[in-house]
Amino acid sequence: AQSVTQPDIHITVSEGASLELRCNYSYGATPYLFWYVQSPGQGLQLLLKYFSGDTLVQGIKGFEAEFKRSQSSFNLRKPSVHWSDAAEYFCAVGRNAGGTSYGKLTFGQGTILTVHP
Amino acid sequence: DGGITQSPKYLFRKEGQNVTLSCEQNLNHDAMYWYRQDPGQGLRLIYYSQIVNDFQKGDIAEGYSVSREKKESFPLTVTSAQKNPTAFYLCASSMSRTDTQYFGPGTRLTVL
Repeated sequence: AQSVTQPDIHITVSEGASLELRCNYSYGATPYLFWYVQSPGQGLQLLLKYFSGDTLVQGIKGFEAEFKRSQSSFNLRKPSVHWSDAAEYFCAVGRNAGGTSYGKLTFGQGTILTVHP
Repeated sequence: DGGITQSPKYLFRKEGQNVTLSCEQNLNHDAMYWYRQDPGQGLRLIYYSQIVNDFQKGDIAEGYSVSREKKESFPLTVTSAQKNPTAFYLCASSMSRTDTQYFGPGTRLTVL
């Protein structure tokens, strides 16, 4: 079964500092990988996704993530954090929906980002 | 504007009552999903539907029911059989089974 681990429940950074949020997955084949962001009381917004090809993926709001197959990781990075980036971030893994399966997403438990001025 | 709407935003229910949460999308997506979110547990899949008049149980379907009579609508009923229904409920949709899922704004259900 597929699974996702986000080791950091809560991260605090200063505005302008760099950011890296960790995501490790368990899956038997090449996964589909996603990062979503959620502001309090809101739905999830897609930041970026990896399906195939270039392992460094660019997303919205200046975020990027790198797929490392050897480490089963898909860490999210941003070179300079803004106060508006404070939110909860979720990593998710999906599988190829060929045959009778479907595009199920398995989510990590989330990482809450606090940004200090 | 295209998107996913969920209503109501807040819902209060007495124990023993059934309640229905609405999810509508005008993105012409085939697949729709319902998730439950609890603090520190991420999102868990309740039900999903790939096409009209078809739906499948997810990981935590007990105490919930759905219907998919129209492509754009996928209502979720939380029944009295759900032992701990207080949670944040998120609806999502995607163009196909493999495509990216897009989320609605959510409904917060509180059982009094």
